[in-house]
Amino acid sequence: NAGVMQNPRHLVRRRGQEARLRCSPMKGHSHVYWYRQLPEEGLKFMVYLQKENIIDESGMPKERFSAEFPKEGPSILRIQQVVRGDSAAYFCASSPPSNYEQYFGPGTRLTVT
Amino acid sequence: GESVGLHLPTLSVQEGDNSIINCAYSNSASDYFIWYKQESGKGPQFIIDIRSNMDKRQGQRVTVLLNKTVKHLSLQIAATQPGDSAVYFCAEKKGSYKLSFGAGTTVTVRA
Repeated sequence: NAGVMQNPRHLVRRRGQEARLRCSPMKGHSHVYWYRQLPEEGLKFMVYLQKENIIDESGMPKERFSAEFPKEGPSILRIQQVVRGDSAAYFCASSPPSNYEQYFGPGTRLTVT
Repeated sequence: GESVGLHLPTLSVQEGDNSIINCAYSNSASDYFIWYKQESGKGPQFIIDIRSNMDKRQGQRVTVLLNKTVKHLSLQIAATQPGDSAVYFCAEKKGSYKLSFGAGTTVTVRA
């Protein structure tokens, strides 16, 4: 049973470009969570999604950030017009519908130059 | 011997010694606490959890202690091994799903 998969593992973008981060949950998991980790800090909750629904986006910046989890395919975290402060590791976690035990993926390390 | 730090960002421990990693939490309403291990370049891995109605829980070589009076959580690792070198985070669960992570403690095991 493959774990949570994220791609790309490393992403370099110039200021003003768009970043698209993908997360495929574990098999049987229909809940996805995105977290951001700045250097030397713990993970910060961004958004919680179920298939085709955003349940809680209280941790998402108000502008430039969006997330989706379509009926088919991976969850996408999209960052428009990236700035240097967006440089961080972005982790996705998934959980089954029966509980909220979260399993984390390996992360995508975004570098904005 | 033991290496104990109170909320220290780093902990250096001799291989074979016991380690104690401490964490303070903020929300007295949190009902669930988890310790994660994060190795370099990887995502957090679940180590052990504890519910707020418990004081202690033991796993394989690890023990978590919860002191609700002072809102303090600790992770004890017995006979620390080189493979235990990592960053350790405590997390509290607020509500049913939202995890709130601490800043982490980097554990380095000396051979």
